[in-house]
Amino acid sequence: EPEVTQTPSHQVTQMGQEVILRCVPISNHLYFYWYRQILGQKVEFLVSFYNNEISEKSEIFDDQFSVERPDGSNFTLKIRSTKLEDSAMYFCASSEAFSGHQPQHFGDGTRLSIL
Amino acid sequence: GESVGLHLPTLSVQEGDNSIINCAYSNSASDYFIWYKQESGKGPQFIIDIRSNMDKRQGQRVTVLLNKTVKHLSLQIAATQPGDSAVYFCAENRANFGNEKLTFGTGTRLTIIP
Repeated sequence: EPEVTQTPSHQVTQMGQEVILRCVPISNHLYFYWYRQILGQKVEFLVSFYNNEISEKSEIFDDQFSVERPDGSNFTLKIRSTKLEDSAMYFCASSEAFSGHQPQHFGDGTRLSIL
Repeated sequence: GESVGLHLPTLSVQEGDNSIINCAYSNSASDYFIWYKQESGKGPQFIIDIRSNMDKRQGQRVTVLLNKTVKHLSLQIAATQPGDSAVYFCAENRANFGNEKLTFGTGTRLTIIP
């Protein structure tokens, strides 16, 4: 069964450094998403991406965040200057583009630890 | 305000019994709902979905019920197995085309007792 893959599984970074989290969505999917989950809390939406542009973003997704689809298979989340509160699990998801609703399928996440 | 919440944070069920996990939502504009299962160290795994024009949908050992009148949905798992132990989230979507943001609830931890 096709799946969303994320790398690395764990990233440890010094505060103020830049990080790039990588995702390979399911190959025939056209919608892509990033969510985060702070330890013990619920999953929170960050951003959705379609047709090479952001379609929606949350208030969490401020100027330090950016997303990119650099080629036909990867989807990345960049955090420019990390803060301690950015420590969380970051999940990538993808779904088929369709006129109706389609479920989002999630990767197993990247655990980001900011020191 | 909008919210998707769960009635119970934990639920313990004897192996082989049926379990019911509940979820309340507050936005009457919600038109699509998904149940996810999250095991330790893993991402949310899609279980089943339901659209607002339906009251019930069945999958393999799982049934989702939607009551739009009281803005409530439930996930029923039949004949529970140890592998069903996980945190279960409901998620709500109020999509317009091109907008597929999911709003997650806080989760219910289901423990299957052998």
